Amino acid sequence: GENVEQHPSTLSVQEGDSAVIKCTYSDSASNYFPWYKQELGKRPQLIIDIRSNVGEKKDQRIAVTLNKTAKHFSLHITETQPEDSAVYFCAASWGQGAQKLVFGQGTRLTINP
Amino acid sequence: SAVISQKPSRDICQRGTSLTIQCQVDSQVTMMFWYRQQPGQSLTLIATANQGSEATYESGFVIDKFPISRPNLTFSTLTVSNMSPEDSSIYLCSVWRGNTEAFFGQGTRLTVV
Repeated sequence: GENVEQHPSTLSVQEGDSAVIKCTYSDSASNYFPWYKQELGKRPQLIIDIRSNVGEKKDQRIAVTLNKTAKHFSLHITETQPEDSAVYFCAASWGQGAQKLVFGQGTRLTINP
Repeated sequence: SAVISQKPSRDICQRGTSLTIQCQVDSQVTMMFWYRQQPGQSLTLIATANQGSEATYESGFVIDKFPISRPNLTFSTLTVSNMSPEDSSIYLCSVWRGNTEAFFGQGTRLTVV
């Protein structure tokens, strides 16, 4: 089955700098790659996603890139702010419509003021 | 976004007892997903619940331990049976809205003593 590896497990950056989190997946059939942000004590919230027919997607300060050949995708956060501090999870899914998600191990991002 | 109401939000239970978690969605969905998030860990799928059929369990999870009901297209329950301290986790239900995005309930934080 699918396996998703996420790195780093913790990341600390200065406010205003950029943060990059990377994930690799094993199943070439995976075609949907969401990123979730989970603040302490709260549910995971989708922040951005990408499908396999697209190489890059951007939403304000957040971007995701996908390399299907290498089977890896990355989350980029620019101009980081203290409220970006949270745990971020990547995930992979396959097929059409509602499918199970396989999650990476998570990255605890800390933004230092 | 999908409105998912999950309860209880938290509970402290004695070992050997069972807890049933409820998940109510504001619209009809074919599949509902139950995930477990152990302390400080990522999300792992327990099972997929389809209305009118038996749930499909992931490797490592069995029906006797985690029985699931899905009586209609907006409701599901997950029971954690014969609990031990190792079952202390956050349990989350999830649905997809429009087959394009997965949403999570607020989670049930279970502590087994």
